[in-house]
Amino acid sequence: GEDVEQSLFLSVREGDSSVINCTYTDSSSTYLYWYKQEPGAGLQLLTYIFSNMDMKQDQRLTVLLNKKDKHLSLRIADTQTGDSAIYFCAESIDGGATNKLIFGTGTLLAVQP
Amino acid sequence: KAGVTQTPRYLIKTRGQQVTLSCSPISGHRSVSWYQQTPGQGLQFLFEYFSETQRNKGNFPGRFSGRQFSNSRSEMNVSTLELGDSALYLCASGPTDRIDGYTFGSGTRLTVV
Repeated sequence: GEDVEQSLFLSVREGDSSVINCTYTDSSSTYLYWYKQEPGAGLQLLTYIFSNMDMKQDQRLTVLLNKKDKHLSLRIADTQTGDSAIYFCAESIDGGATNKLIFGTGTLLAVQP
Repeated sequence: KAGVTQTPRYLIKTRGQQVTLSCSPISGHRSVSWYQQTPGQGLQFLFEYFSETQRNKGNFPGRFSGRQFSNSRSEMNVSTLELGDSALYLCASGPTDRIDGYTFGSGTRLTVV
């Protein structure tokens, strides 16, 4: 089935680390993505991970993938007020043959100064 | 490089009317997909076009249609508008190999009154 779930809200203090979690159900997913959406804007691709990887680090961002549990997480180090936004995880299904993303419900990250 | 351009940014239509939205992908990208974003349903896949052919379609009624031109620009049409069609419509442009993920436009905000 196609279902991606995320917690709705996360509040952290500036300078702390943020961890946003996501669970998915389709084991045929090949790529998993994290997108950021600021108010009134489209989706900005932050990072992605291929399904045969366990971890990927990109500057302040670390993605962890537990394929056995179908669990994906995004860690933001040294969180800043500019990181306040909604974060979506998304899986690419259909064996990667088409551009179809199934998005999670989104997590609102609020960074307190 | 120029990003994904969606026009118009905002649109107000009356129930029963039809509407056409436009999306110009990143130069060289041949895949264009469309998503509907609403507070209640989140981000949902509408359809994807690749080289002028519809490659995949989501679970939306036939009132929603699209097409892609030879220059990869895409249009989405919604006929007989309903109040529930009010949403942010996002277009995503994708490279053939998908490695870099999909780049989204800023969206068209459609309000049906």
